Amino acid sequence: QSVLTQPPSASGTPGQRVIISCSGDTSNIGRNTVNWYQQLPGAAPKLLMYNNNQRPSGVPDRFSGSKSGTSASLAISGLQSEDEADYYCAAWDDSLTVFGGGTKLTVL
Amino acid sequence: EVQLVESGGDLVQPGRSLRLSCVASGFIFDDYAMHWVRLPPGKGLELVASISWNGDITGYTDAVKGRFTISRDNAKNSLFLQMSSLRPDDTAFYYCARDTNWDINGAFDIWGQGTLVTVSS
Repeated sequence: QSVLTQPPSASGTPGQRVIISCSGDTSNIGRNTVNWYQQLPGAAPKLLMYNNNQRPSGVPDRFSGSKSGTSASLAISGLQSEDEADYYCAAWDDSLTVFGGGTKLTVL
Repeated sequence: EVQLVESGGDLVQPGRSLRLSCVASGFIFDDYAMHWVRLPPGKGLELVASISWNGDITGYTDAVKGRFTISRDNAKNSLFLQMSSLRPDDTAFYYCARDTNWDINGAFDIWGQGTLVTVSS
């Protein structure tokens, strides 16, 4: 059971906009920033979004993040086949970083 | 090139010990906190252990407290995870990851390729 709650799956067709949610509580998302990671099949995780809505260099602006209260979301617009991956949210929680259970995104 | 390379993963019997290593290159190692994150088969990412830039601050997930020890050797740009009393549910890919901060509460911006630990009799 992960501390942060994500839907186990999401899907969309090429070109669509998909939103992945991440729910926490006041000890994690409620008082700290949220980071998102993308893990492509067979690859190591990669930082996709940090400090709620900041994209590291090289991440396309099709990806955006937001946070409100104890929830956060990752939006992917103009969905592409190469976006098919597992997505994880994460946040600091008192003494350690906690992850969501991950959302498997399928591009139909 | 900024890089993290893990090693030490293996097939081990329950109750045995194993030591993972991670060698960093391409950046000033002791400017950053470091972490071990694992991915069990069919499950999601789990932070295993974290260590601040100088080793003064460490943190562990409850499942490994008292069994795993994280350490670092800044002179050798190396991070370690000493694992003892291994259990089948420790089976996972283990990744080392760099924090964006000197403390252990930032994002993880650089990841290694992972090393596989399998605990089975």
